[in-house]
Amino acid sequence: EAQVTQNPRYLITVTGKKLTVTCSQNMNHEYMSWYRQDPGLGLRQIYYSMNVEVTDKGDVPEGYKVSRKEKRNFPLILESPSPNQTSLYFCASSAGKGSNTDTQYFGPGTRLTVL
Amino acid sequence: LAKTTQPISMDSYEGQEVNITCSHNNIATNDYITWYQQFPSQGPRFIIQGYKTKVTNEVASLFIPADRKSSTLSLPRVSLSDTAVYYCLVGAPLSSASKIIFGSGTRLSIRP
Repeated sequence: EAQVTQNPRYLITVTGKKLTVTCSQNMNHEYMSWYRQDPGLGLRQIYYSMNVEVTDKGDVPEGYKVSRKEKRNFPLILESPSPNQTSLYFCASSAGKGSNTDTQYFGPGTRLTVL
Repeated sequence: LAKTTQPISMDSYEGQEVNITCSHNNIATNDYITWYQQFPSQGPRFIIQGYKTKVTNEVASLFIPADRKSSTLSLPRVSLSDTAVYYCLVGAPLSSASKIIFGSGTRLSIRP
């Protein structure tokens, strides 16, 4: 089954404790992206990646890091989480270059709480 | 990236046709228009995408006038399960311009 998976689905942590949210897709997609969703603010893009070793900032990259060492994986790293990073996070992938519709497939979401 | 404007919310009844309009006055020549649907605590799901005129699939239709400064998502005969937030996105294909901006979306409520 074609899908985007995220882990963990739920996480409660404390300020300053480094964490990684994993994202994996099994569709051989080139494009991957991370979003955060907060009430009243909609979905905001954090980082995206056009392909392996190619990443770029979205609208709200501060406090986050990403890496794209393999095509299927795109982890989101919070080196020193703060309470304002409490949010619902979504990973998405798309065929990207050469695709017909640029449809993005979203993961199930990770609800992060930073105390 | 073109900014989009949608109604914040809409209400309708089961069996009705619902039309949600998105305004995108600054759309660029190579921009496409894409609509997503999102249920609470789930990731958005692609509904439809178009460039001009009319596109129809098994779920919805997308109407785009000649000037492309707006678009209308049409949901035929809605049911309670169509209650969701609908997002209109405008941008170039991912191969050329990859930052994505979701607007605030339209919260659609369907009543029995």
